[in-house]
Order: sequence, then structure tokens, then C-alpha cells
Amino acid sequence: GQSLEQPSEVTAVEGAIVQINCTYQTSGFYGLSWYQQHDGGAPTFLSYNALDGLEETGRFSSFLSRSDSYGYLLLQELQMKDSASYFCAVRDHQAGTALIFGKGTTLSVSS
Amino acid sequence: EAQVTQNPRYLITVTGKKLTVTCSQNMNHEYMSWYRQDPGLGLRQIYYSMNVEVTDKGDVPEGYKVSRKEKRNFPLILESPSPNQTSLYFCASSRRTAQETQYFGPGTRLLVL
Repeated sequence: GQSLEQPSEVTAVEGAIVQINCTYQTSGFYGLSWYQQHDGGAPTFLSYNALDGLEETGRFSSFLSRSDSYGYLLLQELQMKDSASYFCAVRDHQAGTALIFGKGTTLSVSS
Repeated sequence: EAQVTQNPRYLITVTGKKLTVTCSQNMNHEYMSWYRQDPGLGLRQIYYSMNVEVTDKGDVPEGYKVSRKEKRNFPLILESPSPNQTSLYFCASSRRTAQETQYFGPGTRLLVL
């Protein structure tokens, strides 16, 4: 089967840097995605890593290590609007073309 | 404007009364999917479709049906809803595959009494 583990909550202050980790267990692997969801809203795509290394998009970066079955989302220069839930997701070969999401990390940014 | 729409946005119903939640996308996407979201459980995939007339089960398909007769539409059908199907439902679409950027609809809050 497949499983993803990520912390349930993270807190930080404005301007800080925070890292949200995700470890996964899959029988096959096609890449790690990250989504952001504000309270009551629809998830929105942030990033996708298929290969090892760091992908940077503005204040957000995502990292993948396939040998460690591990990835993280790095948020820099935190702003209040970054308070949201963040989900990692994988496509598992055994699950066909289904996308499996972690249970989410709630990030609270305070001033 | 490129978007995924769902209707209704809110629905209260009673056990056993068949209902359909519609989903439509205007981006000519091949891949469409339904998720349910429950507190502490994240997003769980119900069904997905790779293209017209091609559908497959996700993680939690029991109690649900889908159809994909046209590329743009992917309705979710609950033939006999039960209280454990009370949830927040999201429809999503992407160009071809699950790991590409998925665009989510605004969600449908369903309460089954």
C-alpha cells in the first residue's frame, strides 16, 4: 500500500522560514506534489517534484530525495496569508493513476 | 476564465434520497477526479476518469457512482446517501494525469440526515 506522513501542525511568525516535511511509502513512485488550502477553500497547486533536488518558485521551494522517500516544502519570508493547510501528494504505481494525499499540515503564522 | 464548477455548493438531504453533484470544467482537460475531505483525514480520492467513458475507483469508492459521457462533465452520484457520506466534496481536473497541476472546484458541502 501507500502512506504519507506529515506533521499535523506548524506555527511560525511573520518573516520567518518554515519547512514542512513529508515522508512517503509507495510501491512505485511518480513524483511528489504540494497543495495549499485556505480554510473552507479549494486546494491550489503549489509545486511538483519528479526528480531529486530543489525546485524554487518565488518564496516557496520544494525538495525531493527519492532515495530517502522524503520531501519538504520550504516557505520563506512568511506572511499572514500563508496561514493555511499544506498537503503533500503522490501518485503510486500500484494505485494506478490515483493521487494519494497526506492528511495535511496546518500552518499558523502570527505577527 | 478557466475554471472547474460544482453544483450545488451546499446540500442537505435525508438518508436514501438519490442525489447528483455536477462537475464541469472548461479547460479541455482529460483527467477528472472526485475527492472527499473529512477533518483529520485529508483528501481522499473517490473516483477518477482518464478520459471520456474511462473511469476507475480511487481510495473510497463505496456508495458512489460516476459517469463521463462528455469530456467536460463528471457528475458524482450518490444512489442511496447515508450519514457517513456527510462531507466536503471536491471535483478536480488536470490536463492528462493526476500528478500534473490539478485544478479544484469550489467544493460541495453535503449533509446527510
